[in-house]
Amino acid sequence: EAGVAQSPRYKIIEKRQSVAFWCNPISGHATLYWYQQILGQGPKLLIQFQNNGVVDDSQLPKDRFSAERLKGVDSTLKIQPAKLEDSAVYLCASSPLGRVENEQFFGPGTRLTVL
Amino acid sequence: GNSVTQMEGPVTLSEEAFLTINCTYTATGYPSLFWYVQYPGEGLQLLLKATKADDKGSNKGFEATYRKETTSFHLEKGSVQVSDSAVYFCALRANAGNNRKLIWGLGTSLAVNP
Repeated sequence: EAGVAQSPRYKIIEKRQSVAFWCNPISGHATLYWYQQILGQGPKLLIQFQNNGVVDDSQLPKDRFSAERLKGVDSTLKIQPAKLEDSAVYLCASSPLGRVENEQFFGPGTRLTVL
Repeated sequence: GNSVTQMEGPVTLSEEAFLTINCTYTATGYPSLFWYVQYPGEGLQLLLKATKADDKGSNKGFEATYRKETTSFHLEKGSVQVSDSAVYFCALRANAGNNRKLIWGLGTSLAVNP
């Protein structure tokens, strides 16, 4: 079974530039998550989708971050404009519908460096 | 609110040493508890979990017991290997209420030397 795919794996941009990340979840997984992991910290949930609807985006900085999952499969996360403090690893995870304790499967992440 | 506190790293051990990584939590009710592992260059993987008090999660020689009385979920392994070098994260998820998101500890880096 293919895992969660993310691209690119690494990205370096200058502040005020825009950047987009892509995630392809495990086939059949209805729930998709985007996390931000700053060095030395645990992951912070940015947004959670169930199919193509948003379940939780309470910690998404909506003035600069946006995310979509138009067909309920792939998802993109965009930052526009980027700030220095956005330097982090952006993790995508997916899980099947059902029990709340279902495992989340994580992709390898995209490491973003903002200069 | 819900929170997770885990011991600070880095932890450095010799091969075959005994490992304990402490994790305590604050939560109302009875959350589910998880240990995730992040190997160098890879994504997070679920290592083990426990969903109710006194449950023991185990996988790959690692164990953790859900202790309600001490609000703890300490990770242990009797004999570590070099391949266990990774960052370990303790996490919880509330099983009641509207907030079901995973709450994460800061992670503990483990380095095992041959």
